Amino acid sequence: QKEVEQDPGPLSVPEGAIVSLNCTYSNSAFQYFMWYRQYSRKGPELLMYTYSSGNKEDGRFTAQVDKSSKYISLFIRDSQPSDSATYLCAMSKDDKIIFGKGTRLHILP
Amino acid sequence: SAVISQKPSRDICQRGTSLTIQCQVDSQVTMMFWYRQQPGQSLTLIATANQGSEATYESGFVIDKFPISRPNLTFSTLTVSNMSPEDSSIYLCSVRVSGGNQPQHFGDGTRLSIL
Repeated sequence: QKEVEQDPGPLSVPEGAIVSLNCTYSNSAFQYFMWYRQYSRKGPELLMYTYSSGNKEDGRFTAQVDKSSKYISLFIRDSQPSDSATYLCAMSKDDKIIFGKGTRLHILP
Repeated sequence: SAVISQKPSRDICQRGTSLTIQCQVDSQVTMMFWYRQQPGQSLTLIATANQGSEATYESGFVIDKFPISRPNLTFSTLTVSNMSPEDSSIYLCSVRVSGGNQPQHFGDGTRLSIL
């Protein structure tokens, strides 16, 4: 079992919809959880960073961590075409970051 | 967050040659890292670039193939040596501004194709 599992998609949703992106992990030692957004021909850009179970909100983005289920989610409200990108989950332990493979998201105008 | 510049942004190279990728940060950072991103694969850490000493390589990566320098707190280079088509990938520099479990920030990467 891989340490981090993420559905690669692609995921296509209409503009304005709520998007849900998810990752599961197997190692309970992970302490910090991140979501990165990567546009084509660009590097990953940090969107959300959290270290506790529960929700963290930043504008249209909400990151959710459930350590008991080893499951993290990113919700995007009122999705826009500019949200079309690849979203990478990541989690860290012992100063090392493990990334998911990324989910390609397409927001349809 | 720090502004990270990578050069070149892309290159096409011949088999058997070497290419050096540069990473420049606009402020002093604690840690610098080099990653590889292959299509359909997770970002994979190649090594941690240590200032003033040899880099720390991850399993599967060796110094002879990927020599790394970090002469100061704002600059690092990664060389991909004796390239083969399997080295075609995106190579990314990342930094951690402060210590501990703070997140990393990435440059835009170098897209490398080997013929």
